[in-house]
Formats: sequence, C-alpha cells, structure tokens
Amino acid sequence: SSELTQDPAVSVALGQTVRITCQGDSLRSYYASWYQQKPGQAPVLVIYGKNKRPSGIPDRFSGSSSGNTASLTITGAQAEDEADYYCNSRDSSGNHVVFGGGTKLTVL
Amino acid sequence: QVQLQQWGAGLLKPSETLSLTCAVYGGSFSGYYWSWIRQPPGKGLEWIGEINHSGSTNYNPSLKSRVTTSVDTSKNQFSLKLSSVTAADTAVYYCARLRREHNWNYDYYYGMDVWGQGTTVTVSS
Repeated sequence: SSELTQDPAVSVALGQTVRITCQGDSLRSYYASWYQQKPGQAPVLVIYGKNKRPSGIPDRFSGSSSGNTASLTITGAQAEDEADYYCNSRDSSGNHVVFGGGTKLTVL
Repeated sequence: QVQLQQWGAGLLKPSETLSLTCAVYGGSFSGYYWSWIRQPPGKGLEWIGEINHSGSTNYNPSLKSRVTTSVDTSKNQFSLKLSSVTAADTAVYYCARLRREHNWNYDYYYGMDVWGQGTTVTVSS
C-alpha cells in the first residue's frame, strides 16, 4: 500500500497533551518520520526512527508506533506548536516515499 | 551545518520543462539520498523522487514519465527536470536530504532532515 492517513485537524488546549496519528500498511515495516510546517516555511523534521529527535527539537515531542499506526505526541503543547504536521515513510515496496495528508494542529 | 540552496525558473508556460537545481553546502554528498518534494497551493506535501550520489533513482509513479533527476558530484549539486508542465504542476518545490540505510537484509528509513528554502513555480499561459 502507498497511503498514509491522517486526521485533517486536531485541537489542544494550551499546556495539554495531544496525539496526532498516521495509519498505513507500510508502517508495519518502516518507521514514520514527522514534520512540522508553519505557514510560508519549509517543513522541519521533528521525529524520525524509533522516537528520535533531531538536534534542537524540544523533548515535548515524541513518537511511537503500534502495528499500522504511528503517533506523534506533544506533551504540554505550546502556542508555537500550532502548525501543520505531516507523517512520512516509505511504501510497502520500499521503492517510494509517501506522505500523509497532513494534520492541522490548533492550540487553544 | 549542512545547508541546501535551490534555484530555478519560477514562471513557466504549459508544455515547458521545469528545471531546478539544489546545492549542498557544509556536508557530505555521498551516503545520502537527495529528494524532491512539492506542495501545491493550500495542499499537502507530495514526493517527486530521489537520487543518491551514484545516480540510483526512485520516482513517484504518478510523475515518473515526466521526471528526470541527476547529480553532479563535482559540485555537490543535484537537479530536477519535469517535462510537459501544466497548471497542475504549480507548487512550491523543495529539495531535501533523505537518510536511508538499506541492503539486501534490512531497510531503515530516517526521513528528510535538511530542506531547501523552496522555490515557487507557477505554470501559466
């Protein structure tokens, strides 16, 4: 399968915890990567591999996976976390890269 | 600190060929895949294709017939060509460094950790 499915929109109260999910058959074979994109900016990698954060990414961002579902969790969401979030992996063949449709996170 | 700088024509007419180049500064060119991604206005990210330092490529099946990528290892640059463009190809185009470790026995994907600044490409008559 070459599809990754995300909820279009999620909201969270300031300081609370939010989970953004991504479903796809290829996630049984590959870790998901997660990207944060703010308006007018290039995406930024926030989680990759088995819950790894690139340098400079706050530790309130974490990743997990179970079966065909990957999750990005933001523990103690901040106003600056309001953005679009995309999951990404390879397809089941391994020959192609796929993105989820994106989740718009609103911090209330 | 690795940086990607990209450039290319921003306004094209239908049927023309889109051409973009991305230069890698401050890091190794070998050992990575180099990828192209695009984002139509108001829409999500779409992977176009990838190429490694030795020229091995993979392309999005929906674009494969129109896409060509190449590398110039002497300049640490890689390029994208997309032929026969239409209005549907109007998008912001990004280059990115992709990390993947794979052989016959395993395949680990680590995502795209460095991105170019993006190039807005508009196709209009």
